[in-house]
Amino acid sequence: GAVVSQHPSRVICKSGTSVKIECRSLDFQATTMFWYRQFPKKSLMLMATSNEGSKATYEQGVEKDKFLINHASLTLSTLTVTSAHPEDSSFYICSARDQGDRASEAFFGQGTRLTVV
Amino acid sequence: AQRVTQPEKLLSVFKGAPVELKCNYSYSGSPELFWYVQYSRQRLQLLLRHISRESIKGFTADLNKGETSFHLKKPFAQEEDSAMYYCALSILTGGGNKLTFGTGTQLKVEL
Repeated sequence: GAVVSQHPSRVICKSGTSVKIECRSLDFQATTMFWYRQFPKKSLMLMATSNEGSKATYEQGVEKDKFLINHASLTLSTLTVTSAHPEDSSFYICSARDQGDRASEAFFGQGTRLTVV
Repeated sequence: AQRVTQPEKLLSVFKGAPVELKCNYSYSGSPELFWYVQYSRQRLQLLLRHISRESIKGFTADLNKGETSFHLKKPFAQEEDSAMYYCALSILTGGGNKLTFGTGTQLKVEL
């Protein structure tokens, strides 16, 4: 199947700094990418949906100025956590679809463990 | 608003017993539903989608629009089925298509 790669897999940063997480589709063009946050009890919260070349659509309650999403190309989307705080510590997962069809399969990255100290 | 509900956080069954993982959805349009699975230390992956009407690893799921359900079933559980299972709903919005997950059910198959 198609491969989605996330980088870094783990990152520790100081409170107040910004962290960038990359999500790449390695063997297909991702028309849509999704960013999720996975909580300790494993529930997945959709943060935002990004379509290549357009602004991301954020879910209610997700601060767009805090979680900056850029989907500049069909193979790369980035999530930047700005002015990170300890409560932003979490597991962030991206996924990508190679078609605009909502019935198509989404492929997932391996996730990024962010720890803010 | 659209919503996916998985009422069970944990489901524990013995090997060889039938399994049913419940999923209910709320959506005013025509739903596209999926089951994704996450095995230990692995990334999320697609198990099956309702549009394909297929059986994968012995699992099936039927969309019941009357009951707004998409329960996942397997007649005989295997040890390797132990994993986290997520039901997901895909819809079209003004911002494109969106994929929303339920809270997940941890399936534990005991010997």
